[in-house]
Amino acid sequence: EDQVTQSPEALRLQEGESSSLNCSYTVSGLRGLFWYRQDPGKGPEFLFTLYSAGEEKEKERLKATLTKKESFLHITAPKPEDSATYLCAVRDNQGGKLIFGQGTELSVKP
Amino acid sequence: EPEVTQTPSHQVTQMGQEVILRCVPISNHLYFYWYRQILGQKVEFLVSFYNNEISEKSEIFDDQFSVERPDGSNFTLKIRSTKLEDSAMYFCASSERDNYGYTFGSGTRLTVV
Repeated sequence: EDQVTQSPEALRLQEGESSSLNCSYTVSGLRGLFWYRQDPGKGPEFLFTLYSAGEEKEKERLKATLTKKESFLHITAPKPEDSATYLCAVRDNQGGKLIFGQGTELSVKP
Repeated sequence: EPEVTQTPSHQVTQMGQEVILRCVPISNHLYFYWYRQILGQKVEFLVSFYNNEISEKSEIFDDQFSVERPDGSNFTLKIRSTKLEDSAMYFCASSERDNYGYTFGSGTRLTVV
């Protein structure tokens, strides 16, 4: 059964303090790994898709990387506006649905 | 930037009643989805829709649920005979192509009392 586990559940950083969020997955044939940002009471906002091990993508202070078992979302010099819950999801080769992890709640203090 | 629009933003209904949640996907998108998120839990898949038919559905999506694309712009989720445990945030999403990142709407918070 496909599974996605994110760690830590919550992360508190000072502004400018870089860190990484982890997403470990078990899937029968990975078609894609997706990172989303979710603000309270809102829908997930698409950040990145990674399709194969070794792939990396960047957007502003965020960089996502992928191996055969996990993905990392690196946050460089975060700002308070980066505070949100970051969700990881995978899609397997059996269909189109996304399987989400429980998320990492990031809080960045000024 | 194009958006997925969901209405209403909040719906309160009595147990046993039927509700229809409405979504307007992005106009050039071809793949449509419904997900839900019970408070404090993971986002979970309900159903995907392509070419005017259901392409995949989860175990949650039983006979109580149905989806429809009544015209060229709307995509609806109907929940019949609502139960307390149907209370959740329901998200509509769409994507331009298969295996692209979805665009999610802001959700409808359904409260069953």
